[in-house]
Amino acid sequence: DTAVSQTPKYLVTQMGNDKSIKCEQNLGHDTMYWYKQDSKKFLKIMFSYNNKELIINETVPNRFSPKSPDKAHLNLHINSLELGDSAVYFCASSPTTDTQYFGPGTRLTVL
Amino acid sequence: TQLLEQSPQFLSIQEGENLTVYCNSSSVFSSLQWYRQEPGEGPVLLVTVVTGGEVKKLKRLTFQFGDARKDSSLHITAAQPGDTGLYLCAGAASGGSNYKLTFGKGTLLTVNP
Repeated sequence: DTAVSQTPKYLVTQMGNDKSIKCEQNLGHDTMYWYKQDSKKFLKIMFSYNNKELIINETVPNRFSPKSPDKAHLNLHINSLELGDSAVYFCASSPTTDTQYFGPGTRLTVL
Repeated sequence: TQLLEQSPQFLSIQEGENLTVYCNSSSVFSSLQWYRQEPGEGPVLLVTVVTGGEVKKLKRLTFQFGDARKDSSLHITAAQPGDTGLYLCAGAASGGSNYKLTFGKGTLLTVNP
């Protein structure tokens, strides 16, 4: 059984397009996150939701908008994609801050 | 802003050798975690250390949390090719935000047969 799943696994798109990445967790956790991992493997938090409420919003361009329809889902919508948005995006969930369960990642390539 | 410095950034060794990866900060963390990430996958938690001076062992892996809870180390004994991967340390904030981990930049380990 998949604990944290993300779709799609790969996303290739043109500059200026709008795209979404979906995340679902079946662990019953209250907290979910979006991370961005750049080409140098640095993993940086973008957003965190706790029970559908936004609790962490790091310095991320307004083109990125997370949405949590329920506590098992956290989607990431990106408007007007730029070359610098190319990265691997990871969704994670956590019962507390001490253990985070990561999804398999979505590799976004902006051409 | 809390920062975690990991070293070395890259490590390539032969099977059977020992190695140590370091994770240092000027900030105090309430807990520190080590994750391992394989290509094409998300990070997977290896261990969490909470108490200053704590030592945890996971088979050939030994994790230590510094007495002041500002640093940690991961020691691997008799490394095997299956240990190859990206090792990430992550610190949980002490006080303040309870839901945020700060990650180090990772150590890419290659164990050659």
